[in-house]
Amino acid sequence: NTKITQSPRYLILGRANKSLECEQHLGHNAMYWYKQSAEKPPELMFLYNLKQLIRNETVPSRFIPECPDSSKLLLHISAVDPEDSAVYFCASSPRQYSNERLFFGHGTKLSVL
Amino acid sequence: QQKVQQSPESLIVPEGGMASLNCTSSDRNVDYFWWYRQHSGKSPKMLMSIFSNGEKEEGRFTVHLNKASLHTSLHIRDSQPSDSALYLCAASRSSGSWQLIFGSGTQLTVMP
Repeated sequence: NTKITQSPRYLILGRANKSLECEQHLGHNAMYWYKQSAEKPPELMFLYNLKQLIRNETVPSRFIPECPDSSKLLLHISAVDPEDSAVYFCASSPRQYSNERLFFGHGTKLSVL
Repeated sequence: QQKVQQSPESLIVPEGGMASLNCTSSDRNVDYFWWYRQHSGKSPKMLMSIFSNGEKEEGRFTVHLNKASLHTSLHIRDSQPSDSALYLCAASRSSGSWQLIFGSGTQLTVMP
């Protein structure tokens, strides 16, 4: 799926800071960050609708999202923890409506040493 | 507590066989059901959606929905090895805070 691009594809970190990037070329207004740990389903971390943030309150504060414009999404992670090892998917939908399907990027696989 | 339950956890069917996957929501406020397919190492892709009671067919894939019991099922006929993947059921509400809740998935293996 080249219409939602994520970088980097793979990331290996110690206790460091890093940013994940996502860009969608679909003209969608809603963008999402999902975390998928091994053997688990995707879990919503953050949702931006028309650049307004809706946060999942269970996400640790070391994760900070940013939406610089309607097509880009960043996820800043400070002082990663081993429990953060997972695949982070960016997704988008035309609008933040419950009957809209999600389109996922290929994901960034984060491995924390 | 998992709000979307899927069964079975894993399923093995022979090539050409029928695969039947089940999903139930414990949240009585959900209105929309989705089936996503995720091949190993890939991202989830929507396969089918169903919002009304009844049945919907697309090629070899059929979904059923019973809104009274909040139960949906996905049936794959003439299963192919390329159908081997993790099948994720998801549910969402039409009102209140938006959240697409995924079930833990059914791992389908189609044996040649």
